[in-house]
Amino acid sequence: GEDVEQSLFLSVREGDSSVINCTYTDSSSTYLYWYKQEPGAGLQLLTYIFSNMDMKQDQRLTVLLNKKDKHLSLRIADTQTGDSAIYFCAESGPSGGYQKVTFGTGTKLQVIP
Amino acid sequence: DVKVTQSSRYLVKRTGEKVFLECVQDMDHENMFWYRQDPGLGLRLIYFSYDVKMKEKGDIPEGYSVSREKKERFSLILESASTNQTSMYLCASTTSGEGTDTQYFGPGTRLTVL
Repeated sequence: GEDVEQSLFLSVREGDSSVINCTYTDSSSTYLYWYKQEPGAGLQLLTYIFSNMDMKQDQRLTVLLNKKDKHLSLRIADTQTGDSAIYFCAESGPSGGYQKVTFGTGTKLQVIP
Repeated sequence: DVKVTQSSRYLVKRTGEKVFLECVQDMDHENMFWYRQDPGLGLRLIYFSYDVKMKEKGDIPEGYSVSREKKERFSLILESASTNQTSMYLCASTTSGEGTDTQYFGPGTRLTVL
């Protein structure tokens, strides 16, 4: 089945940029997502990218997609302590059914003041 | 705003008890999902439902069942709770059709089975 992989931890200093990486296996993935989970809460969609796009920017967030390598990244500029959370990469597409989303293991981002 | 609510934030049960986790969404979404979240394993899909009275197994259905009698409500049932079912349980909903499948999540229920 589909697989989505991420590193488990990332630690950055406040004000630096954070880059969270993700790889996936399903070449037919149509949408790729980044979700954020703050402590004690459910997941919340941060942004998504359609598979025919290479990049999407939304304020401090930049998503890069390398479809050939099946690699997705999320860059957070000027990282703040409020960005400390777990970030999940996810994908959906026809092979899993459009409504079914496959999530990665999550990357815990720690921002050091 | 889509709202997904879960009946309990924290729950402590004993081994062998029958456990009900309730999820309600207020946006008339057709699709609802139950996941469990464990450290290092991410989210794993237990069951999902495309419509009332419809259910499909996810990746880890063993030891669980579900019920969807009304569109807005999706219940997860642990028939006989075991310690390995101690976990965070997350409910989500989404609407049908091609297009983004943004999932709207509830706050989660942290279940401890003693």
